[in-house]
Amino acid sequence: QIQLVQSGPELKKPGESVKISCKASGYTFTDYAMHWVKQVPGKGLKWMGWINTYTGKPTYADDFKGRFVFSLEASASTANLQISNLKNEDTANVFCAREGPYWDPRFAYWGQGTLVTVSS
Amino acid sequence: DVQMTQSPSYLAASPGESVSISCKASKSINTYLAWYQEKPGKTNKLLIYSGSTLQSGTPSRFSGSGSGTDFTLTIRSLEPEDFAVYYCQQHNEYPLTFGSGTKLEIK
Repeated sequence: QIQLVQSGPELKKPGESVKISCKASGYTFTDYAMHWVKQVPGKGLKWMGWINTYTGKPTYADDFKGRFVFSLEASASTANLQISNLKNEDTANVFCAREGPYWDPRFAYWGQGTLVTVSS
Repeated sequence: DVQMTQSPSYLAASPGESVSISCKASKSINTYLAWYQEKPGKTNKLLIYSGSTLQSGTPSRFSGSGSGTDFTLTIRSLEPEDFAVYYCQQHNEYPLTFGSGTKLEIK
């Protein structure tokens, strides 16, 4: 069955970096784009952007340009999100989510979420 | 960006009742509206996409309607497992945007 399994929770200090992984299984990784979604604890969902898993090209939402990098390890069916120069407001649960067929950005498959806590 | 206004933010109902959740877009999104269910300890679940198309595995007591800017998720005859948080998301254009969520609790 199709699964997205994310790396574990992270506790970081302001200014540090973090890398979150999302390992896909049960389908051909390069056939579907991968998206990233942020959820501040107790709040709603915010789309961060997506990566074309065939070409590796990332696209970032405006609020996530600069310190955020989407990357792939296609041979390992894994998408990664790196956040540098962490700030307190980066504290959130971060999800990967697989796009639907025909390039339709609806998300039938989600990772379990990775909680990133930024605190001095 | 398309702003998604979801209401109510909180809803209390009893098993067996029917409820409706509204999602309004700041401009037309055609029919490209998805609904998700969020429950603790589970991955988010896509219930409905393109306004009214049930995702495989979604029980038939869930239905979606609407087009343009106004959409509704209706749950008929609530089951205990339906008490959760629900989000709408427009999948018509980038940037993708979500509603603020509706928490459905047992009365």
